[in-house]
This record gives sequence, structure tokens and C-alpha cells, in this order.
Amino acid sequence: ETGVTQSPTHLIKTRGQQVTLRCSSQSGHNTVSWYQQALGQGPQFIFQYYREEENGRGNFPPRFSGLQFPNYSSELNVNALELDDSALYLCASSLGSGVLSYEQYFGPGTRLTVT
Amino acid sequence: RKEVEQDPGPFNVPEGATVAFNCTYSNSASQSFFWYRQDCRKEPKLLMSVYSSGNEDGRFTAQLNRASQYISLLIRDSKLSDSATYLCGGGANNLFFGTGTRLTVIP
Repeated sequence: ETGVTQSPTHLIKTRGQQVTLRCSSQSGHNTVSWYQQALGQGPQFIFQYYREEENGRGNFPPRFSGLQFPNYSSELNVNALELDDSALYLCASSLGSGVLSYEQYFGPGTRLTVT
Repeated sequence: RKEVEQDPGPFNVPEGATVAFNCTYSNSASQSFFWYRQDCRKEPKLLMSVYSSGNEDGRFTAQLNRASQYISLLIRDSKLSDSATYLCGGGANNLFFGTGTRLTVIP
């Protein structure tokens, strides 16, 4: 086990609603990255948080936002949910960030269904 | 153009075969590369990091070719338990992943 935990495991929301997903990083890791994985696709990078600051963002609209807390746990918030937001949301923790990407360890994911 | 691209397969190989996957990346500033294994409806698990000098772990060998901007994964003596999707990840300070390559090892 990686020691990375996510909650909830599954979630069903209605289009237009808002959702908050949570991630606890592995002990000693100060960086959390969030990914969206649609069925049959690879994980798509949403953003990364390093020491409570956003440290890189992928091609996702502003309605995807996040936070990192002093204990390095993190939240992903999605506003105005759309049907296409249905996916597995993965967080990954790593030891650090910078020029080099450190090895990332994934949590089990939250499966979000938007109806 | 996607940051990282890989052949989605599927690759169907008999037990004991050797199989190789390639993955190309577009950002020449990419510094770090990894191979992950993902089982159906599970999270990706780190298989190995890819170093400039190559990296071998048992039956698995990863190589990096910076000139041609690709990484590869070689699996020797395939086992049934190797059946999974293999994801390559690469980037500078953020990681980007390919779509994954589906491998099925057949008895």
C-alpha cells in the first residue's frame, strides 16, 4: 500500500452541482498532484500543490480548483459539474517538486458519476 | 500535440514471450520518466523509474532515448500476472501520462 488515501470512494452528483474530493498524502510527502482519468484513457494532469501553493496546472477550466493544507493533505473542488466530469479522480503524493519530478504514489481514487 | 503518447495496443502475447512498449514525449525539457502498471479499476502503481543510463529490475528493463525523445519498457519471460495496462509518465516538474498500453498474456 502507498499510504495515500482518498475519500469518498464513490460519488454520484447531478449536473450543475459542486463536489469536493479529499486526499491524504503519504507520510513525509509534501506534494500532491491531481489527475482525472476517463474510461479507457490515461490520467490527465489537473494541477499540483507543493507546500500549499499551486505548482503547475494542466488544461482544465477554472471551475476545477484545489487546496493544500499545512499537513499536506489536499482537496479538489469542481463547480458546475458537467456530464463529462464523470471519471476516476486520482491524487498522487510525492516527496517534492521542482525541475525533477519525484516518484509519485497514487491513492485508490474517487469515482465520480455526474447524471 | 499531447505531452506523452503511447500505442494503446492491445498487445496479446503468449506466456514466456518478450514484449516491448514505446512511449514518445514532446517536451524536450522533460527530466523525469516513469512506468506505471494499472490493473482494471485500480490505481496506477509505480513499476519503475527510467534513468538516462537505463534501468533493470528483474524481468523488466526501461530505457530512455533523449535524442529521439522516447522511453521503452521491455518485459522478458511474460507471466499471466503481467496482464495489465502499462502507463508511461514524463515531464519536467509535472508528470503527464500516455493513454496506456493494454497487455494480455495468454496461457
